[in-house]
Amino acid sequence: AQSVTQPDIHITVSEGASLELRCNYSYGATPYLFWYVQSPGQGLQLLLKYFSGDTLVQGIKGFEAEFKRSQSSFNLRKPSVHWSDAAEYFCAVGYTGTASKLTFGTGTRLQVTL
Amino acid sequence: KAGVTQTPRYLIKTRGQQVTLSCSPISGHRSVSWYQQTPGQGLQFLFEYFSETQRNKGNFPGRFSGRQFSNSRSEMNVSTLELGDSALYLCASSLGETSGVYEQYFGPGTRLTVT
Repeated sequence: AQSVTQPDIHITVSEGASLELRCNYSYGATPYLFWYVQSPGQGLQLLLKYFSGDTLVQGIKGFEAEFKRSQSSFNLRKPSVHWSDAAEYFCAVGYTGTASKLTFGTGTRLQVTL
Repeated sequence: KAGVTQTPRYLIKTRGQQVTLSCSPISGHRSVSWYQQTPGQGLQFLFEYFSETQRNKGNFPGRFSGRQFSNSRSEMNVSTLELGDSALYLCASSLGETSGVYEQYFGPGTRLTVT
C-alpha cells in the first residue's frame, strides 16, 4: 500500500534561515507528489506539485521541492523563512488509477523564531 | 474564481445523531473528494465523486456516505455518530476528467464535534 513518511514532526528555524522539510514515499509506480500547507483552523493550500519532467519544481511563496526517484524523496525547501511561514506542512502522493485518492504524510509543524 | 466552500464551518452533534455536510467545488471542477483529519489518524481519504458517481472509496464504515449533484456540489452524511467521528472534514475539488491525478484544491473544512 502507498505510504508517505515525514520524519520530522516539529521543526524550529529562525526567521531568515533556510528550511528543508523531508518527505519519503513508498510505492513502485510513478508517483504524483504534492506539498500542502495548513494554517491553524484552515484548510490545505497547495504549495507545489510534481507530475513529471524537471525534478526541481517551483511553487508559491518562494518554496521549491526536488524529486529524487533513487531516494524516493520529495523534500521541500525555502532559502529564507519568514515568520508567516509558521504552519503545518503535508506531503502527499497520488497514483494513476487511484486518481484523486491522495495519501498524506503525518505532517511537519514549522515554528519560526524571530 | 471562488474557491471551495464548505458549510457549515462548525457543528456540534450528540452521539447517535446523523449529520450532513455540504461542499461546493470550484466552478468547472467536476471531481469532489472528502477527507477526514484527526490528530490521531491524520488526513484520511473518505471518497471521491465525479459526475454524480462515486469513483473512489477509502476504508471507512458504511455510516459514512456521500453524493454529488448535477451541479457538482457534494454532500457527505455520517449516520449514528460516534465520539471518534469528531474531526475536521475537508472537501477538495479538481478537474478530474479522467482517472489520472489532478491537483486538488481544498476548502476550509467543517469542524464536527460529537458529544
